[in-house]
Amino acid sequence: ELKVEQNPLFLSMQEGKNYTIYCNYSTTSDRLYWYRQDPGKSLESLFVLLSNGAVKQEGRLMASLDTKARLSTLHITAAVHDLSATYFCAVDPNTGKLIFGQGTTLQVKP
Amino acid sequence: DTEVTQTPKHLVMGMTNKKSLKCEQHMGHRAMYWYKQKAKKPPELMFVYSYEKLSINESVPSRFSPECPNSSLLNLHLHALQPEDSALYLCASSQGPTIQETQYFGPGTRLLVL
Repeated sequence: ELKVEQNPLFLSMQEGKNYTIYCNYSTTSDRLYWYRQDPGKSLESLFVLLSNGAVKQEGRLMASLDTKARLSTLHITAAVHDLSATYFCAVDPNTGKLIFGQGTTLQVKP
Repeated sequence: DTEVTQTPKHLVMGMTNKKSLKCEQHMGHRAMYWYKQKAKKPPELMFVYSYEKLSINESVPSRFSPECPNSSLLNLHLHALQPEDSALYLCASSQGPTIQETQYFGPGTRLLVL
């Protein structure tokens, strides 16, 4: 059974600091997705990582994928309050199903 | 236009009611999904439609009945629900046909079963 594990599950950080969220998964997959969810809202697609070594950046967020280590990271640079949200990684193991991690709730304090 | 719409936004129903959730997309996507999300948990897949045919049913109780009338519409019919079915119901769509494309989510319907 595919497992997708994120850590940390909760992250409180100061504005201006850097931090990394980790996403480990237990089976082979060439596709990994990062989504953002604000409280009470839907999921917003952030990144799609399609191959080993893929790196994508948007603003203060950068995501990378290492398929050999079965690890993706979401790096936050110089955090701002607007980045406060829950971040999910999700893996498609070529079964037609998207398997989500538990989510990381990020709280950025002034 | 990467928009998936869902109606209603909120729904309160009793355990004996019958109601329907609706989802619509006009992106030409051929795969559509229903997810259930409880508070502080990740979304859980319920159903997948590919080319208007049900391709995945994640052992969902029969009180939930999906329907795909055409390639743009997806319904979820609700009957005799339980209070534990209260959750955010999310619809998503993706390009397909391999169902491995990015899924775009609608705003969700927040359901409360009394």
